[in-house]
Amino acid sequence: AQSVTQLDSQVPVFEEAPVELRCNYSSSVSVYLFWYVQYPNQGLQLLLKYLSGSTLVKGINGFEAEFNKSQTSFHLRKPSVHISDTAEYFCAVSLNTGFQKLVFGTGTRLLVSP
Amino acid sequence: GAGVSQTPSNKVTEKGKYVELRCDPISGHTALYWYRQSLGQGPEFLIYFQGTGAADDSGLPNDRFFAVRPEGSVSTLKIQRTERGDSAVYLCASSPAGLASGELFFGEGSRLTVL
Repeated sequence: AQSVTQLDSQVPVFEEAPVELRCNYSSSVSVYLFWYVQYPNQGLQLLLKYLSGSTLVKGINGFEAEFNKSQTSFHLRKPSVHISDTAEYFCAVSLNTGFQKLVFGTGTRLLVSP
Repeated sequence: GAGVSQTPSNKVTEKGKYVELRCDPISGHTALYWYRQSLGQGPEFLIYFQGTGAADDSGLPNDRFFAVRPEGSVSTLKIQRTERGDSAVYLCASSPAGLASGELFFGEGSRLTVL
């Protein structure tokens, strides 16, 4: 079975600073990887995804993530954050043998202050 | 509307009562998912429908939980004899048929509080 670990429950950062949100997964087979974002009082929305190909994936709002198979990681990065990036970020994994369901991590709350 | 709609947005009930939560997916999406999100946790898979049938219900915690999607569109999650531990946000998501990209479109959730 797959599992996802997000070690940081909360990451405080100042506006315009860079940020990295960590995600590690465990799986005995190949997987798809995703980052979802949940803004206050809104539903989850897809930020970016890795299915195959280039290990550096670019998403919406200037975010990017790098798939590292040897370290089983899929860390999310942004070079300069905005106040509006304050949200909960979830890493998720699914089997790549016919997508059926996502397994989510526990989430990381990004707090951007002026 | 254009997105996934869930009703009610908030439901407070007493222990032992029966509850129904409704999900209206994006028009044309044949895949529908229910997840449960407890406080401080990530969403936890409950059940997945492809069309009218439950393709995977392995996440339902016990037989008090049941979900239907009789016409392949709207779905209802039913919880019998509610317990305090059922308190959570219940999320519904949909995706287009045949899309293996993993993009789920989520509703805002139904917050269930069992007193």
